[in-house]
Amino acid sequence: AQSVAQPEDQVNVAEGNPLTVKCTYSVSGNPYLFWYVQYPNRGLQFLLKYITGDNLVKGSYGFEAEFNKSQTSFHLKKPSALVSDSALYFCAVRDLAGGDSWGKLQFGAGTQVVVTP
Amino acid sequence: GAVVSQHPSRVICKSGTSVKIECRSLDFQATTMFWYRQFPKQSLMLMATSNEGSKATYEQGVEKDKFLINHASLTLSTLTVTSAHPEDSSFYICSARGRGGTEAFFGQGTRLTVV
Repeated sequence: AQSVAQPEDQVNVAEGNPLTVKCTYSVSGNPYLFWYVQYPNRGLQFLLKYITGDNLVKGSYGFEAEFNKSQTSFHLKKPSALVSDSALYFCAVRDLAGGDSWGKLQFGAGTQVVVTP
Repeated sequence: GAVVSQHPSRVICKSGTSVKIECRSLDFQATTMFWYRQFPKQSLMLMATSNEGSKATYEQGVEKDKFLINHASLTLSTLTVTSAHPEDSSFYICSARGRGGTEAFFGQGTRLTVV
């Protein structure tokens, strides 16, 4: 079975400072990993994904994430946070060996990011 | 990225009535569509998965007779909440993935309030 953990309910950071949102996962096979962002009363926007290849993945709006297989982590990072980055961030995993032909995603609980001016 | 349009964004209905939510993929063919329910400040709960032309596969605990899903074409899926009750009030989100695609794209969500 696949699972995702986002250990922090909320992350507070000052504008201009680095932002990190943590994510760890558990799968039986190789994972597809994703980050999505959600603004209030809106759907999820795709930020980036790791499928294969380079462990450092660059995505939208200056975000990047590093796949670390030994630590089973996929932390989201941004070098310099903006107030407009304040939103709810979800990590998700798809287990390629899970026997699920539909490719269902398992989402973490979400991390609220608050960037203060 | 690909665009998924969900309609309506908000709906208020009376108890006992039915509500239909539409999810359309605008610039790609969505071979697989997912319907989620999200409670305030919580994660997304997968309700069902559907492939075009096939019956939806519901997650455990989701009543298929209450939440009717139709994936009639490669660009349209609908979720009908039948005989709605106040406890069905929630934020419903659809997502769609194209053939061979790796990521799913999400609609804007529908805020359903049953009074």
